[in-house]
Amino acid sequence: DTEVTQTPKHLVMGMTNKKSLKCEQHMGHRAMYWYKQKAKKPPELMFVYSYEKLSINESVPSRFSPECPNSSLLNLHLHALQPEDSALYLCASSQEMGTSRPRDTQYFGPGTRLTVL
Amino acid sequence: EDKVVQSPLSLVVHEGDTVTLNCSYEVTNFRSLLWYKQEKKAPTFLFMLTSSGIEKKSGRLSSILDKKELSSILNITATQTGDSAIYLCAVGTDKLIFGTGTRLQVFP
Repeated sequence: DTEVTQTPKHLVMGMTNKKSLKCEQHMGHRAMYWYKQKAKKPPELMFVYSYEKLSINESVPSRFSPECPNSSLLNLHLHALQPEDSALYLCASSQEMGTSRPRDTQYFGPGTRLTVL
Repeated sequence: EDKVVQSPLSLVVHEGDTVTLNCSYEVTNFRSLLWYKQEKKAPTFLFMLTSSGIEKKSGRLSSILDKKELSSILNITATQTGDSAIYLCAVGTDKLIFGTGTRLQVFP
């Protein structure tokens, strides 16, 4: 089973709202990732968690706040977003962090399509 | 700055044609090169390549890495309409660096 699930599938929020995106995997993977993808662009890495600790933060604005409550779950808390934050937010996981071995292959969830009004 | 470039940006073919997609890279600390297929939503994993010259094959898809030329190709033979998608190349360093993708459209 190589399934990563994400909820919600779609989210529309105002600039003053607080919402959260959720990601879950039950593959025993110890690395989890958040990516942002704008239309017709490749995914851009936002955060990496390895063994439930934040190991990479790609200078993402503080209005995005990641959280890894346990090894299966990854959340992205959203607050005071801007319309330009509208995008597809993808979660991925891999057995370990790093990309040198087959078990480091990242598997993606279906994404949350976020619209900020 | 690490860079991954894919070509062509867009490709339109008829069913049954064979296509070759290209990926070239300039990165420090290369570890692997991955190919993904992205249809409407999430990228789905196709191949991971770490060794030069060894072809990986899955059905009508195959891929090979050339570390000397810093490049990889993805071949799709006997294309079908279901192959229509964006094909993403990503190079692994301490993270994945994605290329801009090649949009493939296969018409009946």
